[in-house]
Amino acid sequence: DTAVSQTPKYLVTQMGNDKSIKCEQNLGHDTMYWYKQDSKKFLKIMFSYNNKELIINETVPNRFSPKSPDKAHLNLHINSLELGDSAVYFCASSQLLRATRPSSHEQYFGPGTRLTVT
Amino acid sequence: GQNIDQPTEMTATEGAIVQINCTYQTSGFNGLFWYQQHAGEAPTFLSYNVLDGLEEKGRFSSFLSRSKGYSYLLLKELQMKDSASYLCAVAGGQLTFGSGTQLTVLP
Repeated sequence: DTAVSQTPKYLVTQMGNDKSIKCEQNLGHDTMYWYKQDSKKFLKIMFSYNNKELIINETVPNRFSPKSPDKAHLNLHINSLELGDSAVYFCASSQLLRATRPSSHEQYFGPGTRLTVT
Repeated sequence: GQNIDQPTEMTATEGAIVQINCTYQTSGFNGLFWYQQHAGEAPTFLSYNVLDGLEEKGRFSSFLSRSKGYSYLLLKELQMKDSASYLCAVAGGQLTFGSGTQLTVLP
């Protein structure tokens, strides 16, 4: 069974379109994340949700809107796609955010969604 | 905020030992993590340190000095499959990743 799954794995679309990426985790974790990894391989956090509540919202254009229907799901919707949005987007989950036990920070990543905007 | 530095690239020979360094400056510290990421795949957890010293896990070991803001990942008996990017990450209020060190293992 896949611990953290994302769909789709590949997404090719044109500028200006709206698209969504779905993420699900079956680990029973409380916290889920979205990361963007650009062509230079730098992994940067975008959002974090803890028990369906938005905790971290880094400097990300408001064209990006996360939605968490329940704590096992965190979807990412992107409006008006731009060329610079092309990247690999990873979903991840962990037990607890801001926990004092380091092991709670261990994150499990989904396989990634390669988004290409043309 | 967090600032994490690690070398961009390293090359080593199969069977050798390689040490990947990571220095960090952080406003909060709950532990330091190392992740491995093969090309086209997701990062996977390797190790974490919360106290100073060496943590050994098979061929991989990780060291931490909190006073120096310094960690390293030591890979022994290198294998071709160890060619990957190695990401240092610091847990403060959230997990912040370095830009990764691309390790190439040559035959």
